[in-house]
This record gives sequence, C-alpha cells and structure tokens, in this order.
Amino acid sequence: TQLLEQSPQFLSIQEGENLTVYCNSSSVFSSLQWYRQEPGEGPVLLVTVVTGGEVKKLKRLTFQFGDARKDSSLHITAAQTGDTGLYLCAGANAGNNRKLIWGLGTSLAVNP
Amino acid sequence: NAGVMQNPRHLVRRRGQEARLRCSPVKGHSHVYWYRQLPEEGLKFMVYLQKENIIDESGMPKERFSAEFPKEGPSILRIQQVVRGDSAAYFCASSPRTSGGTSPDTQYFGPGTRLTVL
Repeated sequence: TQLLEQSPQFLSIQEGENLTVYCNSSSVFSSLQWYRQEPGEGPVLLVTVVTGGEVKKLKRLTFQFGDARKDSSLHITAAQTGDTGLYLCAGANAGNNRKLIWGLGTSLAVNP
Repeated sequence: NAGVMQNPRHLVRRRGQEARLRCSPVKGHSHVYWYRQLPEEGLKFMVYLQKENIIDESGMPKERFSAEFPKEGPSILRIQQVVRGDSAAYFCASSPRTSGGTSPDTQYFGPGTRLTVL
C-alpha cells in the first residue's frame, strides 16, 4: 500500500516568516500534486510536478519534487495570513493516474 | 471551486436511512470522482465515473454504497442504511475529457457535503 506522509502535521507561525512542509513516501510516484484546502471547502490544486528534481515556483511558493520521485517539499517565503489553510499532497502512478493517493496534510496557521 | 456544485452542503440522517449526495460537474466535464474525508484518515478515493460508466470503484465499500453519472443530470452518490461510521465530508471533483498522458488530470473540487449520521 502506498502512503504519503506529511510533516509537520500542524504549523503556527507569524506573518513574514518562511516555512517548509514535507511530503514523503517510500514509494515512487509518476507525479505529485499539492493542494490547499480552506475550512468548509474542497481542495484547490496549486501545482503538479512530474520530473525528478523539478522545481516550480508560484509567487512566494516553491515546490520541489525529489530526484527519486518519492518526496516533495513546499517552501513559502514571507508567509501571509492568506496562506492559512490545509496543505495536501497527492501522488499518482502512471498506471492509474486518475486515482490519487493523499497525505493527511499540514495545517498551517499564519498569525498577524 | 471552478463551478463544481454539490448539494446538499449539510445532510443529517438517522441510522438506517438513505443518503443521496449530488454533484454537478463543471460544464463540459465528463469525468467525475468521489472522495471521502475524515480528519484522521484524510481524503480517500471512492469512485471514478464517466458519463453512464463506472470506470474505477475500487475505493467504494462493497455494500450500501453506489454511484452513478447519468447521461443527463448530476452524479449521485447513494448510501443506503447509513451507520454512524458513514459520517464524513464527501467531495466530488470533475475533470475534462483528456487525451491521456502521464500527468494526472486536473481535478476541480466541489465544496463537499458534510454527512452526519445520528
């Protein structure tokens, strides 16, 4: 059974700080996605990474896919209160890329 | 939420009753996915459907749960004889028809239905 472990589970920081959250697995994935979910809403896709070692940037967010495609990280620079939410990673396999395997998420609170 | 609509947003049922959850995908999307989310378990894939076809139901419990995506109308997730363990948030997502490839389709999620079984 493939699992994705996310750490930390909870993170509370002050506005302006930098942070990194992680998504790790012992299994290889063909691609990995990061989502953000706000209370009472569904997840919203932030990025998809498909190549080992790939780095993608989305404004203050930097996503990296591990060389072996078993792990990923999300780095946020100068966090803002609007970054508060649950960050989820989801992995897909080439053989069935529509069935995503999800981590439990990192709940981020950015305090003013 | 990119246009995926789910209703009701909140549903309360007593044990033994039936729950029907509806999902209207983004206009033009022909693929629908259902997920269940529990705080301690995270999001779990349940079923993937195209119009009038169930493509992958490997995440659906074998009993009491069924899903459909008719030619016309919304996708329906039906839970018969609900039990307290069915209490969860149920999310629907849709994606457009794709030509295939190694990357997963972009899935657009609805706001979810929170089911509470008393």
